[in-house]
Formats: sequence, structure tokens, C-alpha cells
Amino acid sequence: QKEVEQDPGPLSVPEGAIVSLNCTYSNSAFQYFMWYRQYSRKGPELLMYTYSSGNKEDGRFTAQVDKSSKYISLFIRDSQPSDSATYLCAMSGTGFQKLVFGTGTRLLVSP
Amino acid sequence: GAGVSQTPSNKVTEKGKYVELRCDPISGHTALYWYRQSLGQGPEFLIYFQGTGAADDSGLPNDRFFAVRPEGSVSTLKIQRTERGDSAVYLCASSADRVTEAFFGQGTRLTVV
Repeated sequence: QKEVEQDPGPLSVPEGAIVSLNCTYSNSAFQYFMWYRQYSRKGPELLMYTYSSGNKEDGRFTAQVDKSSKYISLFIRDSQPSDSATYLCAMSGTGFQKLVFGTGTRLLVSP
Repeated sequence: GAGVSQTPSNKVTEKGKYVELRCDPISGHTALYWYRQSLGQGPEFLIYFQGTGAADDSGLPNDRFFAVRPEGSVSTLKIQRTERGDSAVYLCASSADRVTEAFFGQGTRLTVV
């Protein structure tokens, strides 16, 4: 069993939809939770990160962490075609030192 | 440049050959990381440098893989006796320190034929 599980998708939604992306994990030592966006043939780009539990909002993006359930989520409001990419969750026990990534969920937003 | 630079962007090599992959981090970043991303998978940690020293090399898959950062800036990932299973995108990232955001380069796509 992988330490971090993520549905690979693809997830197809119409423009303007609310998107929910999720990951589960098994290592209770994880304290830092990140969401990266990766366009085809590009490196991952950090969207948001959260330390420990709780919610964090940045524009159209909201990240949630539920450590009791070992479950994290990323919500995208008013999704745009430019949001079409692969979304990777990542976690660690100590900052950005040694990230454990999920497989990534491919998101397709159609106009 | 402003971002993490990796060269070459693509590398095709024959099985059994030796390859070197280069990473130029963001200027002033003391922490540097190498990851490997296979098709359809998330990046997998290989090694972390703090300054010139490898602080954590637990992700290197075997002794064919080696990385250096002699002056605390540029890093080179070296793979000996390449195998077809080494084909992947090798990503480098750097950060000001281990608890601040790590910025990724675009990767080197290695194909072993």
C-alpha cells in the first residue's frame, strides 16, 4: 500500500464547475500538506500548502486537511479551461525536505 | 535566470551507458532536491542537499545513482550502467531552506534504449 493515495482520473468538468480533488494517506507523521499543479512537460508548481490541520483559501482555491481521517482536499471554484492540468498532492513530516507525492489527478475543464 | 534550470531537457542513451544530468538552482538557495517521475506517477524523492553535503540520500534506488554538489550551487546527478527502467523525467528543485517553498525545474526526460 502506498503512503499517499490519489485517484488518477481523468476528471472531466464543464467550465464554471466546482472541482474537488482528494488524497488519503497512512503516515501519521505527516505535518505539511501541499498541492502542486503540473502542466504537460513542465515541472510541478506549488499552489498551496498547509501545516497541520485546517483550511486555507487563496482566490479560487481552498485546501482542507483532516488529520483525524488522514484525508486532504483541494477545491477549485469557478473552474477555467486553463485549470486543465495534473494536480499532485504531496506531504512530509519536515517542510519541503522530502516530499511524498500522490500519483496525481488529471483534470480536464471543457469550455 | 530566475528559475531552476535543468540540462539537457531531453537525453536519449543506450543501455549500459553513463549519463550526467545537471541542475542550476535559484541563486542563493541552499537546499536542493532531486526527484524522479515515471510516466503516470507522482515524483519520487531521490536525494536532498543542504549546502554541499547530501543530508538525505535515502531515495537513491541503488549504487548506480550518485549525486554531487561540490560548491553548494550546481548539482549533477550521475547514473552509471543505465537500464531501461531508469527511463523517467528527473526533476530538480531548490529552496531557500528545507521549510520554505521548493521550486521545481522543468526536468530532464531520460530515455534509455
